[in-house]
Amino acid sequence: SQQGEEDPQALSIQEGENATMNCSYKTSINNLQWYRQNSGRGLVHLILIRSNEREKHSGRLRVTLDTSKKSSSLLITASRAADTASYFCATDGEIQGAQKLVFGQGTRLTINP
Amino acid sequence: DTGVSQDPRHKITKRGQNVTFRCDPISEHNRLYWYRQTLGQGPEFLTYFQNEAQLEKSRLLSDRFSAERPKGSFSTLEIQRTEQGDSAMYLCASSLVSYNEQFFGPGTRLTVL
Repeated sequence: SQQGEEDPQALSIQEGENATMNCSYKTSINNLQWYRQNSGRGLVHLILIRSNEREKHSGRLRVTLDTSKKSSSLLITASRAADTASYFCATDGEIQGAQKLVFGQGTRLTINP
Repeated sequence: DTGVSQDPRHKITKRGQNVTFRCDPISEHNRLYWYRQTLGQGPEFLTYFQNEAQLEKSRLLSDRFSAERPKGSFSTLEIQRTEQGDSAMYLCASSLVSYNEQFFGPGTRLTVL
């Protein structure tokens, strides 16, 4: 079963705009990660945020984590056509097992030129 | 290429046939994971190895599924007596024990006719 839920399920914006995706999860976690998947391909690791961190940056990516609300957001600034992909959050933690990732259903992002 | 590789990339088989997939992890990674992803969903955990030991198996992994990692390097996932419901993308990932980032291969897309 899926641990998290991404919101929105689909997002379409113009190139250059910012894209924000949200992820909610149900149980306590050790870490939360974001992955990108181009159509029919494998997953690319974007960023990991630990449960004791609140915000993390990597290039045009900004991730926030609110453990009290069991939610995270991924912001992509100055979007490009190449950012078109599905984005998944994944958690690991004591309840589901620290060794495996539990994924949400993903947000499908489309960047229009 | 020092990433995770999977073979084959695509497999079409008839119902009832056996199939075997191979995964070669990043060479220094001692953890190896198998996930299954169906269309429009996030990946779901199947099993993982630490070195050659299989430490956890999901309830999704019926007795028709078997995974091995005989020398702690590459791994195979075999599905016996395939069913149409086995059609999915099978993803392999690897990681170091000390870190939580999992690096994914391109996946093997299985179609059972």
